[in-house]
Amino acid sequence: EVQLLESGGGLVQPGGSLRLSCAASGFTFGSYGMTWVRQAPGKGLEWVSIITYSGADTDYADSVKGRVTISRVNSENTLYLQMDSLRAEDTAVYYCAKNRGSGSWYNYYMDVWGKGTTVTVSS
Amino acid sequence: QSVLTQPPSVSGAPGQRVTISCTGSSFNIGAGYDVNWYQQLPGTAPKVLIYGNTNRPSGVPDRFSGSKSGTSASLAITGLQAEDEADYYCQSYDSSLSGWVFGGGTKLTVL
Repeated sequence: EVQLLESGGGLVQPGGSLRLSCAASGFTFGSYGMTWVRQAPGKGLEWVSIITYSGADTDYADSVKGRVTISRVNSENTLYLQMDSLRAEDTAVYYCAKNRGSGSWYNYYMDVWGKGTTVTVSS
Repeated sequence: QSVLTQPPSVSGAPGQRVTISCTGSSFNIGAGYDVNWYQQLPGTAPKVLIYGNTNRPSGVPDRFSGSKSGTSASLAITGLQAEDEADYYCQSYDSSLSGWVFGGGTKLTVL
């Protein structure tokens, strides 16, 4: 069974850091791009970051650029999101998702999602 | 405020047909980028319903269909069922933002 399991969320003070992890199983992790998406309480979905299957290419939403780093260790089937200089507006459930699609990565979609991990930024 | 505009809510009686619109611009849908649709049941993670504008993943009932024209896309649900009550999101790529974008979401209520 294809599964994604996020961890690493929690309560952190403004200006603090967290590293989220996403453990993948049931598929060849190193063959697929991955994405982080977040959802603030009572709000809609917001794309956060994307990484190609090899990790060679990454991209970030303007709202997190310069404060967040996406990475992956294919040998460990794990995706990461390092989050620094956290702000109250970063409070959200963070989902990792497996990418799928043909052609350019602009047309990727998210075919498998984890259950999410909650990040709360508050003093 | 998302660059992909969806109605905040739609509703329909069991058995009816409803559509959810997703209006974009020449920087996203109109630029030819694919539109994907996701369903989020209460308290759960999103699930892909439609990918590549019109394609259904295996396991998604054929009651769900997607279409795209110009700068807009639509999700149609026929034979509405109580279990369809959920939030629905469209998603595409936006070249002006240089990133992937979601619509604001539409809450479907089955009356």
